[in-house]
Amino acid sequence: EDKVVQSPLSLVVHEGDTVTLNCSYEVTNFRSLLWYKQEKKAPTFLFMLTSSGIEKKSGRLSSILDKKELFSILNITATQTGDSAVYLCAGPFSSGTYKYIFGTGTRLKVLA
Amino acid sequence: DAMVIQNPRYQVTQFGKPVTLSCSQTLNHNVMYWYQQKSSQAPKLLFHYYDKDFNNEADTPDNFQSRRPNTSFCFLDIRSPGLGDAAMYLCATSRAPGGAGAETQYFGPGTRLLVL
Repeated sequence: EDKVVQSPLSLVVHEGDTVTLNCSYEVTNFRSLLWYKQEKKAPTFLFMLTSSGIEKKSGRLSSILDKKELFSILNITATQTGDSAVYLCAGPFSSGTYKYIFGTGTRLKVLA
Repeated sequence: DAMVIQNPRYQVTQFGKPVTLSCSQTLNHNVMYWYQQKSSQAPKLLFHYYDKDFNNEADTPDNFQSRRPNTSFCFLDIRSPGLGDAAMYLCATSRAPGGAGAETQYFGPGTRLLVL
């Protein structure tokens, strides 16, 4: 059965810290992996990763995919309180249809 | 601005009373999705439309139905809501497969359903 597992489930850090969030997956037909940030509303898109070893960056956030080891990491440097959210990893994993499977997320809390 | 809109944002219904949630999009995307998200859980896909083709997840209860009368609108009907159906319902859209960025999903703000 296809699945996405995220770790840690929750994380508390102080402003300025760097965090690494993990996402591992077991899929029968990998297409791409997506990262979303969810505050108290709908998820907002961060990154889409399709190729191994190519880092995607957006400001203090970056992400990379390892297709051989079936995982991805999301890094946040110099964290701010506004980074507090649930970070979701997801992917379309299905042959021919757009079935997305989400991980349970990592709840990040950044303390001032 | 192009976007995904969900109405209402909050819905209160009674146990067993049918309810309809709506989603509209101005992105002209081919694919529309409905997810159910309960507290502290990942969004769970209920079904999706690729144009008019309806794709139901195997574990989606029969109590949940959907309609897509045109490209812009998609509805989620819950025929007889139970207490366990209280959740956030998220609508999302994406482009047709094959194009650049086609797999990115754009979410609406969600409708929070409360069942009394």
